[in-house]
Amino acid sequence: DAMVIQNPRYQVTQFGKPVTLSCSQTLNHNVMYWYQQKSSQAPKLLFHYYDKDFNNEADTPDNFQSRRPNTSFCFLDIRSPGLGDAAMYLCATSRLGGSEQYFGPGTRLTVT
Amino acid sequence: KNQVEQSPQSLIILEGKNCTLQCNYTVSPFSNLRWYKQDTGRGPVSLTIMTFSENTKSNGRYTATLDADTKQSSLHITASQLSDSASYICVVSKNTGTASKLTFGTGTRLQVTL
Repeated sequence: DAMVIQNPRYQVTQFGKPVTLSCSQTLNHNVMYWYQQKSSQAPKLLFHYYDKDFNNEADTPDNFQSRRPNTSFCFLDIRSPGLGDAAMYLCATSRLGGSEQYFGPGTRLTVT
Repeated sequence: KNQVEQSPQSLIILEGKNCTLQCNYTVSPFSNLRWYKQDTGRGPVSLTIMTFSENTKSNGRYTATLDADTKQSSLHITASQLSDSASYICVVSKNTGTASKLTFGTGTRLQVTL
């Protein structure tokens, strides 16, 4: 089945230690998104890629970076995680110009 | 300001009962409205999607309504099951060219009990 896959599902990192979260898709969608969702809150868009064109949200901290080496994969890099970065990180994809986004299962990040 | 408001914040119902969740939005320009179910610790899963011209959309025991004039939507769950316990999120979409921009409600936390 075509889908959005996130690895790992659970990630524990230490305060200040760089961490990378992974997302892959078999839908062949042009657009990939990264969201941060904290407990009992709505997901917050961090950035998205249209093909290789990177689009950052204005209020996304510099601590968050992303890479998209090819259509299928997109990575979220957190350079120096703080305790406040503990959250669920959701990856989503959509077609070019399409309004429906397909979400992965999420990676829950714990910062110790 | 683009906003999506949901009510109630939380709801507890007995198994087998029906319930209705509400969503009001001010997002413009409107592309579509979607209800998602999100289990604890999981990503959102789409239940229904409705465009401007659609009033009602069903998916099994889930029925969504949309009134584009009053900018209101509801999600009705029939004959609830324990597995319906989750957060239900109303999401309004507008196209921004290449990508879609979603505005999320804060969700209704539903608990179905015996």
